[in-house]
Amino acid sequence: EIVMTQFPATLSVSPGERATLSCRASQSVNTKVAWYQQKPGQAPRLLLYAASSRATGIPARFSGSGSGTEFTLTISSLQSEDFAIYYCQQYSTWPPEFTFGQGTKLEIK
Amino acid sequence: QVELVESGGGGVHPGGSLRLSCAASGFNFGNWAMHWVRQAPGKGLEWVAFISHDESHKSYSDSVKGRFTVSRDNSKSILFLQMNSLTGEDTAVYYCARDYGDYGTLYYWGQGTLVTVSS
Repeated sequence: EIVMTQFPATLSVSPGERATLSCRASQSVNTKVAWYQQKPGQAPRLLLYAASSRATGIPARFSGSGSGTEFTLTISSLQSEDFAIYYCQQYSTWPPEFTFGQGTKLEIK
Repeated sequence: QVELVESGGGGVHPGGSLRLSCAASGFNFGNWAMHWVRQAPGKGLEWVAFISHDESHKSYSDSVKGRFTVSRDNSKSILFLQMNSLTGEDTAVYYCARDYGDYGTLYYWGQGTLVTVSS
């Protein structure tokens, strides 16, 4: 099983500042990584797929980078609605055996 | 627009069974792979099962393999998850999700149905 490790577990950032969230895979997943945002009581929402492609309707302040084992989600200027939990997910294996990171909680500083 | 509505959750005793359903609308269900993902209370996301658009491929997480079965009825646009031999570790909100088309990205999500396994 590919283990996805996210860090930090909690990130405190002020509105308007930049947030950088990291995700590391235990083995190469090429660029088969997606990022999701989840707010309390809601289902997750897809932000990025293929490491850096934004899903439909996702603001340009969300960007992703990385390949192989190291991935980053960057939110360029935090808005109040961005404070949530963020998960990375790998989908490189076939047959499918997808795994999520444990999440990073982005909180208001 | 795309809508996924899960049902069938509830309370069940350890060792019991439940069958979850996910009713899909707003897209051609038979053209898309689907997934089940769960989230234990206060915990992170765990991928559970995958089924290809034509049921030719099915896959499960190690934690549910041999106990859970994913299936679909394309004529009725419904996804199923049959869960047997349930334990307390299966207590979670269960989400169905539509694949993005790349066999892995979870694009559209339902709102989830809660399964509670307790004596």
